[in-house]
Amino acid sequence: QKEVEQDPGPLSVPEGAIVSLNCTYSNSAFQYFMWYRQYSRKGPELLMYTYSSGNKEDGRFTAQVDKSSKYISLFIRDSQPSDSATYLCAMSAGAGSYQLTFGKGTKLSVIP
Amino acid sequence: DAGITQSPRHKVTETGTPVTLRCHQTENHRYMYWYRQDPGHGLRLIHYSYGVKDTDKGEVSDGYSVSRSKTEDFLLTLESATSSQTSVYFCAIANSGGGETQYFGPGTRLLVL
Repeated sequence: QKEVEQDPGPLSVPEGAIVSLNCTYSNSAFQYFMWYRQYSRKGPELLMYTYSSGNKEDGRFTAQVDKSSKYISLFIRDSQPSDSATYLCAMSAGAGSYQLTFGKGTKLSVIP
Repeated sequence: DAGITQSPRHKVTETGTPVTLRCHQTENHRYMYWYRQDPGHGLRLIHYSYGVKDTDKGEVSDGYSVSRSKTEDFLLTLESATSSQTSVYFCAIANSGGGETQYFGPGTRLLVL
């Protein structure tokens, strides 16, 4: 079982839809959870950062972490064509771990 | 990509030749990382640095070496390039060693013929 599982998609939605992106993980030591957005032929860009369980909202984006289920989600409200990108989840155990463990990414297309 | 540059951005080379990729940061962050990104594998850590002259291996370090003689520069060397090292290489930086957040450069596309 891989440490982080993420459905690669592709996921295609109409403009204005609510998008749900998810990752599951197996390492109970993970405490820090991130979502990165990567446009084609660009570097990953940090989108959301969450520590431990709970929700975090930033504009149209909401990140949720459920440590009991080892499940994290990213919701995008009122999706726009500019949201078309690959979304990567990442997580770490924190102090001393140095490393992030990434999902393989979900490719999202928002159709006008 | 602010504060992080990678050079070259594109490179084509032949099997068996040495290749050096450079990552330069202006953020004065202590931690620097080299990843490769391949279809079906996602981002995989090659090497990382936790200070000047302090480096360690990541998940896929075979065939790669690194050096960091200054805070702002982290070099990745492919000692003898192979076709399996054709990839997109990303540098990342972080201010904390806890692995909480890393910021990525624009990437270098390397093709080994």
